[in-house]
Amino acid sequence: DARVTQTPRHKVTEMGQEVTMRCQPILGHNTVFWYRQTMMQGLELLAYFRNRAPLDDSGMPKDRFSAEMPDATLATLKIQPSEPRDSAVYFCASGLEEWGGYEQYFGPGTRLTVT
Amino acid sequence: GENVEQHPSTLSVQEGDSAVIKCTYSDSASNYFPWYKQELGKGPQLIIDIRSNVGEKKDQRIAVTLNKTAKHFSLHITETQPEDSAVYFCAALEYNNNDMRFGAGTRLTVKP
Repeated sequence: DARVTQTPRHKVTEMGQEVTMRCQPILGHNTVFWYRQTMMQGLELLAYFRNRAPLDDSGMPKDRFSAEMPDATLATLKIQPSEPRDSAVYFCASGLEEWGGYEQYFGPGTRLTVT
Repeated sequence: GENVEQHPSTLSVQEGDSAVIKCTYSDSASNYFPWYKQELGKGPQLIIDIRSNVGEKKDQRIAVTLNKTAKHFSLHITETQPEDSAVYFCAALEYNNNDMRFGAGTRLTVKP
């Protein structure tokens, strides 16, 4: 049963600390998305990769957030320094953008709390 | 950019009844409309989707309809069961722009 995995599932950290979230997309998928979910803003796209290349990170605060794909099996989202307003659930999703496929499959999320 | 509105925000039905959730979108270029189910503590799960060249799609107890002219699409769940209780999100996306916009969600409660 192929699925997106994310680590850690929960993270509590103090303001100013660095946070790194990891995602393993479904094997064979060529697109990876990072979303943030909050009660106030709902689901927001932060960054999007196709074939490991970043295509859109306009939804991400560039001064503190960075997203990378070191290889096809790992995507990372880093926040440095973290702030209380970054508290949210961060989801990674992957898809296969070929043959007209645009489905996105979500991981279980990382619940981040910044105190 | 795209703006997706979803109604109602909460919906309570009796087991066995039907549930309908409606969404409207603003960008006529949008051409892919998925629906996601999110249970507590889990990520959104894709349950059905529809593309702009199709007016209706059905998968067992769930169906989605799309009216491109009016720019709205709906999720229909028939013979609801308690396990259908969750938050449902609609979304809209244009093929050339992978910025998927989500509705605010509908919390569906199915009472046994």
